This record gives sequence, C-alpha cells and structure tokens, in this order.
Amino acid sequence: EVQLVESGGGLVQPGGSLRLSCAASGFTFSSYWMDWVRQAPGKGLVWVSRINSDGSSTSYADSVKGRFTISRDNANNTLYLQMNSLRAEDTAVYYCARENSMTTVNPTDYWGQGTLVTVSS
Amino acid sequence: DIQMTQSPSSLSASVGDKVTITCRASQSITFYLNWYQQKPGKAPKLLIYAASSLQSGVPSRFSGSGSGTDFTLTISSLQPEDFATYYCQQSYITPRTFGQGTKVEIK
Repeated sequence: EVQLVESGGGLVQPGGSLRLSCAASGFTFSSYWMDWVRQAPGKGLVWVSRINSDGSSTSYADSVKGRFTISRDNANNTLYLQMNSLRAEDTAVYYCARENSMTTVNPTDYWGQGTLVTVSS
Repeated sequence: DIQMTQSPSSLSASVGDKVTITCRASQSITFYLNWYQQKPGKAPKLLIYAASSLQSGVPSRFSGSGSGTDFTLTISSLQPEDFATYYCQQSYITPRTFGQGTKVEIK
C-alpha cells in the first residue's frame, strides 16, 4: 500500500525557517517524481514544487522560488521541503504527493495527509 | 503560467442528478488535464487523468472529456458521498496549476 507521511509542520515566526519531511513507503520511491502542494485555510490547492526521480531536476512556483528548496533521499525514501524566509502568506497545509510518472501526463495519484505550517508572530 | 478557470465555483444538486463541471485552460494543454475530489479535512483524490481516463477504483459514474483548452467532468448520478470540492489541474508544463475549485453542495 502506498503511504506518504508528512512531518515537520508547526508554528514559526515570519522570517523563520522550517523543514518538512515526507516518508514514503509501499512503492519504489526512487522511480517517481514527487511534488509539494499547499492549501491555505479555506482556499484552493496550489502547486509548490516538484523534483524528478533522481533529484537532479527541480521546479518551483514563483511565489516560493529562492526561498524554498525541494530535495530527496532515495536511500531512505524521504522527500524534503526546506522553507526559509517564511511569510504569513505561506501559512497552509502542505501535502507531499507522488506523480504517476508511469503515465504520459504524470497525474498526482497519491497524497499524504498533510502537515500544517502556520507563520505568525 | 497557464491559468485554469473552473465553472461554476459552486453548485447545489440533489442525489441522482447529473452534474457537469467545466475547466478552461488559458492555452492549449492537449489532454494533460486531471481531476481531483477533495472532502473537508482530507487530502485530494485523483479521479480522472489525461482528460478522460478513469483512475483505478473510481466509480464509473465519473467521466471526463475534452482536449485543447476546454474540459468537462461529469457525474452521471450524484451520490451522497460525492458532495465535495472538485479541482482540475494541468500537468502540461510547470507550474502545474490548479483551477480554483468547484464546491458541490446538497440541494
């Protein structure tokens, strides 16, 4: 069974940093591209970042470029999101998600339960 | 960036109704369009990928159509468990943008 379990969320002051982790199991982690998607309270889904299967290629939304860094540890089946210079508008539930890179269109086929990041003084 | 626009933003329907949600892309995305269902407090769930392919385990009352810039998600006979928010997403290029969502409520 595919499982994605996020951790590392919490309350942080504006300008602070946080690192999210996502532990993957039930599939060959090193074969799949992975994403982070966030959802502010009461709002819609927003794609944040993606990383290819070996970690050599990354992409970011303009709103987080230069502040967030996505990475992965394929030996330990873990995805990360390092978040620096956090702002109030980064407050959201952050989802780790798997892209089904075995299909042409790479849909996001599995999602974690999400971890809440609150940026407030 | 490709903008995804869903309509309507919300709708009220009864059990057994046929429901149609549309999604329009700001430029052609061929068939790189996916649909998700999200219930309150839960993670999204993939329903349809590549515009019209049903994800494994998803009931056949869900269907998708379209190509290019205009897409449709149809629920042929609305069930109680289908009351949720639905999102489209383009996976043609990054950023992999989502529509703003369509909330399906009980009439």
